[in-house]
Amino acid sequence: DVKVTQSSRYLVKRTGEKVFLECVQDMDHENMFWYRQDPGLGLRLIYFSYDVKMKEKGDIPEGYSVSREKKERFSLILESASTNQTSMYLCASRTQAYEQYFGPGTRLTVT
Amino acid sequence: DAKTTQPTSMDCAEGRAANLPCNHSTISGNEYVYWYRQIHSQGPQYIIHGLKNNETNEMASLIITEDRKSSTLILPHATLRDTAVYYCIVGDGGSQGNLIFGKGTKLSVKP
Repeated sequence: DVKVTQSSRYLVKRTGEKVFLECVQDMDHENMFWYRQDPGLGLRLIYFSYDVKMKEKGDIPEGYSVSREKKERFSLILESASTNQTSMYLCASRTQAYEQYFGPGTRLTVT
Repeated sequence: DAKTTQPTSMDCAEGRAANLPCNHSTISGNEYVYWYRQIHSQGPQYIIHGLKNNETNEMASLIITEDRKSSTLILPHATLRDTAVYYCIVGDGGSQGNLIFGKGTKLSVKP
């Protein structure tokens, strides 16, 4: 079974803090993704990566950066957390487009 | 923007078939139809995909109309655990293509 794990299920941070969300997959997938999910807005793509050290902006990259130093790990970074970044963050990985595997999500609250 | 249109919500009686419609009138020839679902507080889960032929797996069946402008996901014997948001997505299947999640259909399976 493919496993995508995320470092935390719940996280509470203060405004202005630097936040790291980690995602690890164990199936040697080339492509990895970060989404955020908010009520009424569905899933929105923040960043994705199709290879080590490669990254591409998604639909809402502002306020975020990413790092992919190893194939299995894709990190989402909030340089200076703000309250409007309170959300559910979902990581996913895949090889073929139709079978995208998601992690359990991290619910981040910024106070 | 999502290229699909789905009803916001549907109800289904436990044990009955759940038929979830999706319109994708602007689908192009090389685009697949994918279905995912998201159970509350979990990441989305891949269900099934198809190009133009009907498809069946252990979870569901996918019926695609001949003109490919619409499709129906069928859960043959819905259970309470099938209560979830179901997403219909079209994409070209390329390994670097992005899946755009719309708002989906909230399926409630009732006893």
